[in-house]
Amino acid sequence: AQSVTQLDSQVPVFEEAPVELRCNYSSSVSVYLFWYVQYPNQGLQLLLKYLSGSTLVKGINGFEAEFNKSQTSFHLRKPSVHISDTAEYFCAVTATSGSRLTFGEGTQLTVNP
Amino acid sequence: KAGVTQTPRYLIKTRGQQVTLSCSPISGHRSVSWYQQTPGQGLQFLFEYFSETQRNKGNFPGRFSGRQFSNSRSEMNVSTLELGDSALYLCASSLAPAGDYYEQYFGPGTRLTVT
Repeated sequence: AQSVTQLDSQVPVFEEAPVELRCNYSSSVSVYLFWYVQYPNQGLQLLLKYLSGSTLVKGINGFEAEFNKSQTSFHLRKPSVHISDTAEYFCAVTATSGSRLTFGEGTQLTVNP
Repeated sequence: KAGVTQTPRYLIKTRGQQVTLSCSPISGHRSVSWYQQTPGQGLQFLFEYFSETQRNKGNFPGRFSGRQFSNSRSEMNVSTLELGDSALYLCASSLAPAGDYYEQYFGPGTRLTVT
């Protein structure tokens, strides 16, 4: 089984500041890793994914994440945030042999002017 | 291409009643997964269907059931509703389940309120 821990439940930042949302995972098997974003009253949208290869993955809206196998982490970063980035962000994992997603508890990112 | 659609978007039911939620996947997608999202428990996997067969099941009581039709549309049913079943129910579709990775696309969800 897999588990995901998002280390911050809320992250307030000012517009144009950099941000990092932290995610650690636990698994006894190989995994794929994901970051999803959820805007109010909407479903989940995939920001980026790590399947294999380069440990630095780039996603939509200027987000990127780095897979660190030794630290079992997959932190999400953006160098300069906008008001429109205010949303809840979920880190998720699935075994490479499966399709069932296990999600973290979510991080509410609030970008203030 | 149309996205994943879920109906209804909002639903209010009374304890003890049953409810059926519907999910239409993206055209060509054969796998449908269901997730429950609550403030207390977060996002939890309910079950996954592929080609009308349940492929995977989460840790939910038997009151939660689902099915998939030949056109890949899926329904989930919750019987004898409890207050704790109030949640956002999300459906996700993908081309196929296990094996090669296929991205899951989520619908907007059905907000169920049990009173």
